[in-house]
Amino acid sequence: AQTVTQSQPEMSVQEAETVTLSCTYDTSESNYYLFWYKQPPSRQMILVIRQEAYKQQNATENRFSVNFQKAAKSFSLKISDSQLGDTAMYFCAFMKHELTGGGNKLTFGTGTQLKVEL
Amino acid sequence: DAGVIQSPRHEVTEMGQEVTLRCKPISGHDYLFWYRQTMMRGLELLIYFNNNVPIDDSGMPEDRFSAKMPNASFSTLKIQPSEPRDSAVYFCASRMGTTVVGELFFGEGSRLTVL
Repeated sequence: AQTVTQSQPEMSVQEAETVTLSCTYDTSESNYYLFWYKQPPSRQMILVIRQEAYKQQNATENRFSVNFQKAAKSFSLKISDSQLGDTAMYFCAFMKHELTGGGNKLTFGTGTQLKVEL
Repeated sequence: DAGVIQSPRHEVTEMGQEVTLRCKPISGHDYLFWYRQTMMRGLELLIYFNNNVPIDDSGMPEDRFSAKMPNASFSTLKIQPSEPRDSAVYFCASRMGTTVVGELFFGEGSRLTVL
């Protein structure tokens, strides 16, 4: 079974600064996907960024980027130029590759509450 | 475009009562998921459907929980009888099988409180 660990329950950052959220995972799979989802106060979860394990290049989406360390089973999210709208709960998630029965089953971490302050 | 629509947004009920949560997925999506979120256990997948057929219900906690998807545009999650430990936010999500793997579109959730 896969596990996803987010060891930072809460974090805060000043507007325009950079913040990094940590995530580690445990799996015996070699092919899988990793995700960061954002849950704002409206509660609706939104996909922020996605990484395929077989790709060595770290994914980037505008101000959001990841540091994927496969050997260390680490997948951190960096938010640059933080904005007030980034205030949300951030969830790290794991999914096995569909060819190895991953289907659509996402395993989520417990989340990190990020607060962006003026 | 309308997103995933869930109802009710909030539900307060007494122990022993039947609870029905409803979900309308995004039109054209062929996968539908029910998740439960609690402080203690985080987000857990309860069940998911593909083309209205339940594919994996291994996350359904016990027989008091049941889910149906009678057609492509509607699903229900029923708890009967409800217990205080069922208090949680229940999310419905959908995706199209041909889109980005792992990208689920979530509704705003139904917050259930069982007294």
